[in-house]
Parts: sequence; structure tokens; C-alpha cells
Amino acid sequence: DTAVSQTPKYLVTQMGNDKSIKCEQNLGHDTMYWYKQDSKKFLKIMFSYNNKELIINETVPNRFSPKSPDKAHLNLHINSLELGDSAVYFCASSQWGPGNEKLFFGSGTQLSVL
Amino acid sequence: GQQVMQIPQYQHVQEGEDFTTYCNSSTTLSNIQWYKQRPGGHPVFLIQLVKSGEVKKQKRLTFQFGEAKKNSSLHITATQTTDVGTYFCAGRGSGGYQKVTFGTGTKLQVIP
Repeated sequence: DTAVSQTPKYLVTQMGNDKSIKCEQNLGHDTMYWYKQDSKKFLKIMFSYNNKELIINETVPNRFSPKSPDKAHLNLHINSLELGDSAVYFCASSQWGPGNEKLFFGSGTQLSVL
Repeated sequence: GQQVMQIPQYQHVQEGEDFTTYCNSSTTLSNIQWYKQRPGGHPVFLIQLVKSGEVKKQKRLTFQFGEAKKNSSLHITATQTTDVGTYFCAGRGSGGYQKVTFGTGTKLQVIP
């Protein structure tokens, strides 16, 4: 059983298209995250949800819209894709509360915008 | 905003040599974590340090948290080819909402 699963694993698309990435965790965690890893391997937090409520929203273009239908799911929709959006997107989850920041990552979605 | 830098960016070592990566935060951290990402893989949690000056060991890996809680180090004794990967420190600042900022990472190559 995969603890944090995200789909698709690979996504190749044209500039201007809209795409979604889905994430699900079966760990019973309250908090989920989206991280972006660029070509230099820098990992940057994009969003965080706690019990379906958005709690962290970094400086991310409005074209990126996260949605959490329930605390086990966190999806990421990207409108009007640009070349610079090419990266690996990781979903992660953790328990809530000080000292509970241990992150469990999904296997990543490699997005290539052509 | 909070910045977390790691040095070196890359390290090549002969198998059996030791390896150390250093992590420095621009602000005081509540805690620090270390993750390992194998090539093509995802970050995997290794350990969390909370107390000032804390030292923890996991087999050949030794983790330290600085006295001022602004820096940390990971030392690997007698590296093996299985140690290959990128090592990230990640720190939570004193603010709320569990924002964990990742360091810039150190990519380790082990030459057999």
C-alpha cells in the first residue's frame, strides 16, 4: 500500500494547456502539501492544507489552484501552462502540530511543458 | 523570508571515505529535519532534531543541531555506494503553520 500516491507520474503537454495532478494519502494525516522541485533540485513549498483549509500559500502564480475535497486528498490544477512550469511536483503529508513536521512524500509528477 | 543554505553543493568521495554536509539557516529554527533523495526518487525522512546542541546517530550517520539552532550537519562515516543521493536539511521557523523550508541540498556521489 502506497502511503502517499500521486498521479500521473509523467505529464507532457503543450504551452497554454490546463492540467491537473492528483494526490491521495492513506496515513490519516491532517496536513498535505505541494512542493515544486526545479531542474537544480531546489525544493520549494507551494501550498499547504490542514483539514481542507488552505494555511500556506507561497508566492505562486494564480494559474496554480490547489483543491482539497477532504483531508486525504489534495489536487493541483494548473491553467495556461508555461515553459517555466516544467519541474517535478511532489505531494506530501504530515500530522498537524509542533514537532509533527515529518513529511511523507509521494513519488512525484514530472511535468514537461513543450 | 527564511533561507536555508547547504554546503557543499556537490561532493564526490571514494567509497570508504567520510562525508559531511553543512546546513545554515538565516533564522532560528524550531527544529531541523534531514531527508535523503535517491536519483529519480522522492525525499525520504531520515531524522528530526529539536534541542539545541542535540546529536543523534543512525548507524554510520551522525546528525548535529547547533547551539544557536541556526545550523546543522550530517556526517557519514565510511561511505558506501548505497549512500549516493541528495541530502536535504529542512527547517521549521518559529512562526506557525508548520512551514518547512528545505535547504539547497548536497548531492553525494560515491566512487566504488
